[in-house]
Amino acid sequence: GAVVSQHPSRVICKSGTSVKIECRSLDFQATTMFWYRQFPKKSLMLMATSNEGSKATYEQGVEKDKFLINHASLTLSTLTVTSAHPEDSSFYICSAKDAGQGAGEQYFGPGTRLTVT
Amino acid sequence: GQSLEQPSEVTAVEGAIVQINCTYQTSGFYGLSWYQQHDGGAPTFLSYNALDGLEETGRFSSFLSRSDSYGYLLLQELQMKDSASYFCAALSGSARQLTFGSGTQLTVLP
Repeated sequence: GAVVSQHPSRVICKSGTSVKIECRSLDFQATTMFWYRQFPKKSLMLMATSNEGSKATYEQGVEKDKFLINHASLTLSTLTVTSAHPEDSSFYICSAKDAGQGAGEQYFGPGTRLTVT
Repeated sequence: GQSLEQPSEVTAVEGAIVQINCTYQTSGFYGLSWYQQHDGGAPTFLSYNALDGLEETGRFSSFLSRSDSYGYLLLQELQMKDSASYFCAALSGSARQLTFGSGTQLTVLP
């Protein structure tokens, strides 16, 4: 099956620094990727929809200047958490859709656990 | 807005059958998906219902009633490895994005 990778899997950074998370579709092209964040024992909250070659669409309440998304190619989307603060600590997960997949199916990356100290 | 309701916890014993219900309120609804997530892991796709009725995939089945805005996931012959969180997710919108429910923590006891 299709694989989506994320890098890094875990990152600890100091408050005020920026962190970049990469999401790659390894064996398929994804015109659309999605970014979620998940707090412990909670649901996945959609942050934004990343479209290759165009601006991301952010969900209500998500600051686009805080969470920069770049979908530079059909296999790579990046999420940059700018000027991170402790409240940004969370589990960030990306997903991607393969054109051959069923409508309701997305492939999820393994997630990136961000800890801001 | 979009919202999905599902029970927070379910406990059952090995070999049993368990049903996890999900009710939803969404606009532009296309269908209902189910995902499994083990602690610290990525969600994995289980099933998707676009039409009313029952979809069966091995030990797991999923049901949808669009008129009732209701679906469920049925897990049969429970195994210890089935202990995980299960999320229903509504597919909607022009970008076909998923909106997830709050998740049901299933604990399978020996």
